[in-house]
Amino acid sequence: EPEVTQTPSHQVTQMGQEVILRCVPISNHLYFYWYRQILGQKVEFLVSFYNNEISEKSEIFDDQFSVERPDGSNFTLKIRSTKLEDSAMYFCASSVTRGDTEAFFGQGTRLTVV
Amino acid sequence: ILNVEQSPQSLHVQEGDSTNFTCSFPSSNFYALHWYRWETAKSPEALFVMTLNGDEKKKGRISATLNTKEGYSYLYIKGSQPEDSATYLCAFPWDTDKLIFGTGTRLQVFP
Repeated sequence: EPEVTQTPSHQVTQMGQEVILRCVPISNHLYFYWYRQILGQKVEFLVSFYNNEISEKSEIFDDQFSVERPDGSNFTLKIRSTKLEDSAMYFCASSVTRGDTEAFFGQGTRLTVV
Repeated sequence: ILNVEQSPQSLHVQEGDSTNFTCSFPSSNFYALHWYRWETAKSPEALFVMTLNGDEKKKGRISATLNTKEGYSYLYIKGSQPEDSATYLCAFPWDTDKLIFGTGTRLQVFP
């Protein structure tokens, strides 16, 4: 069964360092997303990506964040200069259409900023 | 402020018990309502995507109903099993694109 894969599963980084979280969405999906969950809080939307551009982003997704789909298969989230409050589980998701079909989620990358 | 609420936050039941949880969401501009099952150390997995008022969907022992006019959905599990232990999330697509999640209901089923 097709699945969304994310690497790495865990990442520990020092404050101020850049991190890149990687995702391989399901191949025939057209919509791609990043969500995150800070421990004890709700899963929250970061950004959606369609047709090689950002379609929507949340207030969290500031200039320190960027997304790319460099080669038609990988979908990456970059945090340029990590802060302690960026520590969270980051989920990649993909879907065939917007909102009215299920999103398929990866297993997440647990990012710890020290 | 767009808010999706779930209750209860956690639930402990005995194997064989039936249980249900609630998700409430804004009733205006309804587009769809998603239910996901999230086991520890795994990815959230879709159970249902519901789009029509009065809709009822079923997958094995799990079923869900939808009332878009009053803005709620119920998820039912009949005859709970230990393997049903997970966090159940509902999510509301906003602007048809991003999902707004509830806090989840953490279910633990004891043998």
